[in-house]
Amino acid sequence: NAGVTQTPKFQVLKTGQSMTLQCAQDMNHEYMSWYRQDPGMGLRLIHYSVGAGITDQGEVPNGYNVSRSTTEDFPLRLLSAAPSQTSVYFCASSYPRQGSYGYTFGSGTRLTVV
Amino acid sequence: DQQVKQNSPSLSVQEGRISILNCDYTNSMFDYFLWYKKYPAEGPTFLISISSIKDKNEDGRFTVFLNKSAKHLSLHIVPSQPGDSAVYFCAASALEYGNKLVFGAGTILRVKS
Repeated sequence: NAGVTQTPKFQVLKTGQSMTLQCAQDMNHEYMSWYRQDPGMGLRLIHYSVGAGITDQGEVPNGYNVSRSTTEDFPLRLLSAAPSQTSVYFCASSYPRQGSYGYTFGSGTRLTVV
Repeated sequence: DQQVKQNSPSLSVQEGRISILNCDYTNSMFDYFLWYKKYPAEGPTFLISISSIKDKNEDGRFTVFLNKSAKHLSLHIVPSQPGDSAVYFCAASALEYGNKLVFGAGTILRVKS
């Protein structure tokens, strides 16, 4: 099934632990991004990539790292988890901006940091 | 400072009636606007979009209106159905910002049968 696949769906971490949230898409989209959703704050951009080997920071990048070695994969790494990183994380992909378009989102990873 | 604002956290509408969801933006560079729909435990799904060169775009029961002078857009759903109950996010982008989308906080729509 074509789309964006995120793993894991749920994760509980202890403060200070590190982990990687996986994201893969099979639509050959050049653009990929990570958002976090928090109550009352909508979706906030963490990092994004316009193609393999190219990444940049979004609105809330602190505490997260990304890399893009292939078109398909865009993992998000939490370096040292903090309770403030408890959130729902969404990965999204799209074609470059060309008129009418929309992101395709994954189903999300719910992360709890205790 | 939120550049995209959805000031109504929730909206309740009777089945068959019109649902109107509102969105305001502050950045005059935004030139493309989108609405996303999200069900619990799922990712957002693209619903409808509008370019700043238009003031209306229609797709079935969904119509988006854009008022550039007021920096305001709205999503109309007619007629509303119970399956429309979800969180609706307004989003905006600007050519200068590439493909990045800025999202509002969302509005929870409940359609009562």
